[in-house]
Amino acid sequence: GAVVSQHPSRVICKSGTSVKIECRSLDFQATTMFWYRQFPKQSLMLMATSNEGSKATYEQGVEKDKFLINHASLTLSTLTVTSAHPEDSSFYICSARATDEKLFFGSGTQLSVL
Amino acid sequence: GQNIDQPTEMTATEGAIVQINCTYQTSGFNGLFWYQQHAGEAPTFLSYNVLDGLEEKGRFSSFLSRSKGYSYLLLKELQMKDSASYLCAVYTGTASKLTFGTGTRLQVTL
Repeated sequence: GAVVSQHPSRVICKSGTSVKIECRSLDFQATTMFWYRQFPKQSLMLMATSNEGSKATYEQGVEKDKFLINHASLTLSTLTVTSAHPEDSSFYICSARATDEKLFFGSGTQLSVL
Repeated sequence: GQNIDQPTEMTATEGAIVQINCTYQTSGFNGLFWYQQHAGEAPTFLSYNVLDGLEEKGRFSSFLSRSKGYSYLLLKELQMKDSASYLCAVYTGTASKLTFGTGTRLQVTL
């Protein structure tokens, strides 16, 4: 089946620093990628929809200047958490949509901001 | 707005059958997914329903009724490894945005 690679799997950073998370579709081209955030014991909350070559569409309440998304190619999207704070600590997951409309998820990134 | 409801927690016995329900009220509908998620891991795909009816895949089956805004995931011959969260997600809108329900934590006991 389709594979989506996401890294790093875990990152610990100091408050005020920026963190970049990469999401790659390894064996298919993904014109659309989605970024989700998940707090403990809660479901996935969509943060933004990323289309290759265009600006990302952010969900209500998600700060686009804080969560920078770049989708420069059909196989790569990045999420940069700028000036991270402890409340940004969460599990971030990307997903890529294949041509048959199925979504495949990356393995997730656990971000801990000290 | 989008509203997708699932029971928060369920418990079932190893070897038994369990049905996890999902009701949705969304603006637009392009399909419904079920995912399994173990703690600390990414969700894994279980099923995708677009048309009404039952889709069977091994021990797992998923049912959809679009007119009722209702779906269920049926797990047969439960195994301990089936203890996980089960997420119902609906594709909506022209952008095919995937909105997740709250998830159901299933605990399988001996």
